[in-house]
Amino acid sequence: SAVISQKPSRDICQRGTSLTIQCQVDSQVTMMFWYRQQPGQSLTLIATANQGSEATYESGFVIDKFPISRPNLTFSTLTVSNMSPEDSSIYLCSALNVGGSGNTIYFGEGSWLTVV
Amino acid sequence: TQLLEQSPQFLSIQEGENLTVYCNSSSVFSSLQWYRQEPGEGPVLLVTVVTGGEVKKLKRLTFQFGDARKDSSLHITAAQPGDTGLYLCAGDNAGGTSYGKLTFGQGTILTVHP
Repeated sequence: SAVISQKPSRDICQRGTSLTIQCQVDSQVTMMFWYRQQPGQSLTLIATANQGSEATYESGFVIDKFPISRPNLTFSTLTVSNMSPEDSSIYLCSALNVGGSGNTIYFGEGSWLTVV
Repeated sequence: TQLLEQSPQFLSIQEGENLTVYCNSSSVFSSLQWYRQEPGEGPVLLVTVVTGGEVKKLKRLTFQFGDARKDSSLHITAAQPGDTGLYLCAGDNAGGTSYGKLTFGQGTILTVHP
């Protein structure tokens, strides 16, 4: 299994500022992803963090708003730029390990952002 | 776009009752995962089902993957208050550029009353 650590775990942010969330995995993983979970809702994929290249964004998410880095196989960052109250969410990092019994995808504890 | 319809959205039952949560899709998934999420925490993986028709048991929880790999169910026997939480199904399509990307159902909020 993989253990995923996210920082910060919680933060209260001012409108118009940007915040970078870090995701550290305790082992090398094939893929890393970033999800958003708005209050009372399920998870929505923001993007796939590609190692050494630009992230692949899902419909409705753009690089200017959510720049992502993945400099190596165990670390990624997500920045939430120019925040507004609508960005108040849990942001979750996930990592994919490929095994004989199929793909196993693990999640971090999440970063709870409140924008005021 | 792949969609997963999860039902019911809310479930409130008494301790000792049985329950079933369903996930249905018109799309085929290479695997399907069930997660449980408690307030203030990230989703915790319960099980991954890969083979059509597969049944997996985890203590009082039974997971089934449909023969066509388009649907899945989670059955809990003799529910306990500790089972309370948000249950999420998520499908993984390992084909092409979708490798490892999860499509989540809407979630089922389960409350088990003592």
